[in-house]
Amino acid sequence: GAVVSQHPSRVICKSGTSVKIECRSLDFQATTMFWYRQFPKQSLMLMATSNEGSKATYEQGVEKDKFLINHASLTLSTLTVTSAHPEDSSFYICSARSQTSASYNEQFFGPGTRLTVL
Amino acid sequence: RKEVEQDPGPFNVPEGATVAFNCTYSNSASQSFFWYRQDCRKEPKLLMSVYSSGNEDGRFTAQLNRASQYISLLIRDSKLSDSATYLCAVNNQAGTALIFGKGTTLSVSS
Repeated sequence: GAVVSQHPSRVICKSGTSVKIECRSLDFQATTMFWYRQFPKQSLMLMATSNEGSKATYEQGVEKDKFLINHASLTLSTLTVTSAHPEDSSFYICSARSQTSASYNEQFFGPGTRLTVL
Repeated sequence: RKEVEQDPGPFNVPEGATVAFNCTYSNSASQSFFWYRQDCRKEPKLLMSVYSSGNEDGRFTAQLNRASQYISLLIRDSKLSDSATYLCAVNNQAGTALIFGKGTTLSVSS
């Protein structure tokens, strides 16, 4: 099956610092990756759609200057939370869509990154 | 109306029970539907896609009702290991991404 990795799995940082999260598709090429955020007992909220070689598409209410997304290759997308604050503490999950999947919209998720901002 | 809505539960059932979850969606043009399973503090894992004609995978059966805009998941002969949160997902208006419901929590006890 399609495997997606994320790094780091957990990060604790001080308020004001920037944190970079990597999302990699390990055994397939992903022209499109997605970044979600999940607060406790809430659903996954789509933050942005990351397309290889082009600018990310952000959902309404998500600050593009705060959440920088780079999708430089077919297997790697990065999310940088700039000047993180305690309210940014959340579970960040990426997913990737496989071009070979029978269902176009089927997504495979990374294991997530738990961010805690002190 | 929210894009995707689920009864949050929790559903507390004994082993061997049959349990059903429903999920409603607001976009009548949606074409892709999925059920995901999420364990505590883990990422969602695809349980099954939902096809127009309905589909079954072992103890799990998924149905789609386009007229009423809902999908369902039926779990037969519940196991302790079925305890998790079940998320339904529907493609967004642009058709490019998935919108998730808040999830329904299932707790199976012995």
